[in-house]
Amino acid sequence: GQNIDQPTEMTATEGAIVQINCTYQTSGFNGLFWYQQHAGEAPTFLSYNVLDGLEEKGRFSSFLSRSKGYSYLLLKELQMKDSASYLCAVRVPSGGYNKLIFGAGTRLAVHP
Amino acid sequence: EAQVTQNPRYLITVTGKKLTVTCSQNMNHEYMSWYRQDPGLGLRQIYYSMNVEVTDKGDVPEGYKVSRKEKRNFPLILESPSPNQTSLYFCASSWGQGGRETQYFGPGTRLLVL
Repeated sequence: GQNIDQPTEMTATEGAIVQINCTYQTSGFNGLFWYQQHAGEAPTFLSYNVLDGLEEKGRFSSFLSRSKGYSYLLLKELQMKDSASYLCAVRVPSGGYNKLIFGAGTRLAVHP
Repeated sequence: EAQVTQNPRYLITVTGKKLTVTCSQNMNHEYMSWYRQDPGLGLRQIYYSMNVEVTDKGDVPEGYKVSRKEKRNFPLILESPSPNQTSLYFCASSWGQGGRETQYFGPGTRLLVL
């Protein structure tokens, strides 16, 4: 089966750092994505990991450990506009192609 | 501007009345996909298409149909909508399905079936 787990909700303070975890058990692995989704809007791409280690992109970093089936998204210097849902998605092989399996998302609320 | 468009954005309908949600992309992407998003369940793939005239079922295809007659368009058809198809629907497209290639999502269609 395919399973991706993330915390449902998190809260944090403006200016702080927050880490959103994602664990996965999937049949195959061809990469992991993080998307940001503001309420009522489309998901937008944040990061991609396919090898173990940390990928840094401005205030956002994403880490992957394939042996542990684990990733996290790190958001630094939090801003109010970072209040959104964060979706973890794993690309898996399917019938000769690839497809994305999404977690249910983590809703992050940033407070002043 | 590179984008994925969907129409309508909001739709209220009644059980059994056929409807079509259109999706169009202007990026010459080969891969297109439809998802539905429900609270606590995340995005689930309904159908996908690897290219013109090539479509296949995703994880939740029951009650839906698709077609891909042109590269840019990928409509979603509900022949006989039911209340359990009330959801937020997203169309997405990408060049392919490998490497760093990410999917670009349309703005979403919120559907209510009474």
